Amino acid sequence: DAGITQSPRYKITETGRQVTLMCHQTWSHSYMFWYRQDLGHGLRLIYYSAAADITDKGEVPDGYVVSRSKTENFPLTLESATRSQTSVYFCASSNAGLATTDTQYFGPGTRLTVL
Amino acid sequence: QKEVEQNSGPLSVPEGAIASLNCTYSDRGSQSFFWYRQYSGKSPELIMFIYSNGDKEDGRFTAQLNKASQYVSLLIRDSQPSDSATYLCAVNGQAGTALIFGKGTTLSVSS
Repeated sequence: DAGITQSPRYKITETGRQVTLMCHQTWSHSYMFWYRQDLGHGLRLIYYSAAADITDKGEVPDGYVVSRSKTENFPLTLESATRSQTSVYFCASSNAGLATTDTQYFGPGTRLTVL
Repeated sequence: QKEVEQNSGPLSVPEGAIASLNCTYSDRGSQSFFWYRQYSGKSPELIMFIYSNGDKEDGRFTAQLNKASQYVSLLIRDSQPSDSATYLCAVNGQAGTALIFGKGTTLSVSS
């Protein structure tokens, strides 16, 4: 049972480049989320998706783009990376809305460094 | 702005003691409450969730919820060095909406 995976696990890029972080889950969870985690800020929601083709902004969406053409995939794209986007990115999924606990399960994270 | 507040710590306890972690939240309409544990360099993992006022026990862990006072706590009995981690409190106002996380409390258990 693969669960939820993220790729790449580590990425170094340069300012201005486009970067895509991948997230894949095998549970068929309806909801998927992208967070960033920075010292002093904790986990902050970037975008989330309730189902395929349905996405919504979170607390810090600027500079990011998401899509969800398939239930199992939720890629996050940094259109023009900036140093302030250096962070650890976590993808999560949940079966919220189906009479369950709304528990979110996290992927292993992607550590992104923008030079 | 909905907020979840936690004491950043570090909270230091000796092995075998009870560790008490606290969390307050601002949205009185919050319905679901979660505790996650995060080891350094790892992703958050769920420890417990609680919906109703009162206590919920799972092994060495007890979650306590008081909606009137808008706080939720986590007690860890017989603390072990392996419990040393950052504990994140998370709150959900409505089913299907995103969790709001506190910044976490770092727990250190000394042997």
